[in-house]
Amino acid sequence: DGGITQSPKYLFRKEGQNVTLSCEQNLNHDAMYWYRQDPGQGLRLIYYSQIVNDFQKGDIAEGYSVSREKKESFPLTVTSAQKNPTAFYLCASSPPHGVGETQYFGPGTRLLVL
Amino acid sequence: SQQGEEDPQALSIQEGENATMNCSYKTSINNLQWYRQNSGRGLVHLILIRSNEREKHSGRLRVTLDTSKKSSSLLITASRAADTASYFCATDATGNTGKLIFGQGTTLQVKP
Repeated sequence: DGGITQSPKYLFRKEGQNVTLSCEQNLNHDAMYWYRQDPGQGLRLIYYSQIVNDFQKGDIAEGYSVSREKKESFPLTVTSAQKNPTAFYLCASSPPHGVGETQYFGPGTRLLVL
Repeated sequence: SQQGEEDPQALSIQEGENATMNCSYKTSINNLQWYRQNSGRGLVHLILIRSNEREKHSGRLRVTLDTSKKSSSLLITASRAADTASYFCATDATGNTGKLIFGQGTTLQVKP
């Protein structure tokens, strides 16, 4: 059963804490993406990676970090520098040679601040 | 950077009616895509139309693209209550390799 998974579904962050959101795909996709969605808004790109061990900043990368050590995995860390982290976070991937092509989305992680 | 803007922001119709939503964008594109999002869920790809195409169909969906006006429309015919969702356009801008830019979305409510 192929797909893209995100965990956890809900995540609570305390003041000054770093938290990591997981994104895994078994679709053999080269490219992976992280988006942030605020209520009633569209998606904004945080980071993306077109190949293992390489990633680029999106439009709102400040306060976030990523790694791409494996093709299947693209974890996102929300650092304490991100002052307004409450949002819905979506991970996506796209197939080989799929730059700018269809993206496949995970179910999302909702991050809340305690 | 906001590429796509959608209109209307919200749309409420009766089951069986057609729903039309529009997307405008600012720069040249390679393709334009439409996605659907049910409340609190991930996005699902609906249809992709390339810059050299003018119209595309998929089941009850019809997408048009007018590159001279930098606009696209999504028509859902014979709507069903299950079509209730938010719909987003996303553009792959020329030279912007690797990134899609999403619009703010249109929230569609189909009343049974």
